[in-house]
Amino acid sequence: DAGVIQSPRHEVTEMGQEVTLRCKPISGHDYLFWYRQTMMRGLELLIYFNNNVPIDDSGMPEDRFSAKMPNASFSTLKIQPSEPRDSAVYFCASSLYLYSNQPQHFGDGTRLSIL
Amino acid sequence: SQQGEEDPQALSIQEGENATMNCSYKTSINNLQWYRQNSGRGLVHLILIRSNEREKHSGRLRVTLDTSKKSSSLLITASRAADTASYFCATEPLSNAGGTSYGKLTFGQGTILTVHP
Repeated sequence: DAGVIQSPRHEVTEMGQEVTLRCKPISGHDYLFWYRQTMMRGLELLIYFNNNVPIDDSGMPEDRFSAKMPNASFSTLKIQPSEPRDSAVYFCASSLYLYSNQPQHFGDGTRLSIL
Repeated sequence: SQQGEEDPQALSIQEGENATMNCSYKTSINNLQWYRQNSGRGLVHLILIRSNEREKHSGRLRVTLDTSKKSSSLLITASRAADTASYFCATEPLSNAGGTSYGKLTFGQGTILTVHP
């Protein structure tokens, strides 16, 4: 079975540019999560969706960040305008909710560098 | 601040030895999970232990949970060079009445394990 698919794997862009990260969750999964990983702050939850609806976006650092899930098989995380401090690895994960206690399945991430 | 804190931050052992990593957390939890991350890759789920469980096994992995001390340990027996990775604990908080905390994992900073052939 295909896992969580993220694109692009690497992105290098200049400060002020718009960045769009993409994620395809595992088919049938109800939940989708966006994380950011840095050496300083570790792995942080940014936002998560249930059945395409954002449930908690309290981890989104500021208004420059936005996330959408137009359908069950696609989500985007957008940064506009980007800043050097946004450089990090961004992960998407999905999980199935039958009841609680379900693991999350991670993609391989997008390594973002803002110059 | 991170809910889960792993100890040690780094561990270096020889192949065949056992590796033990510890995790402490602060609030009541629904479950605690351990993940592995190889360099340049995403996290891979290893094992989940529920708050009403005390010990769980999966292959060479053994996880314990002590809710009174708010701590967990991950033991990897007979380690292999392929076990070299970062290991993270993650806690899912006890669900609130609306259940909106489901899946909201908080990860620790991780333990970097190096297994030398």
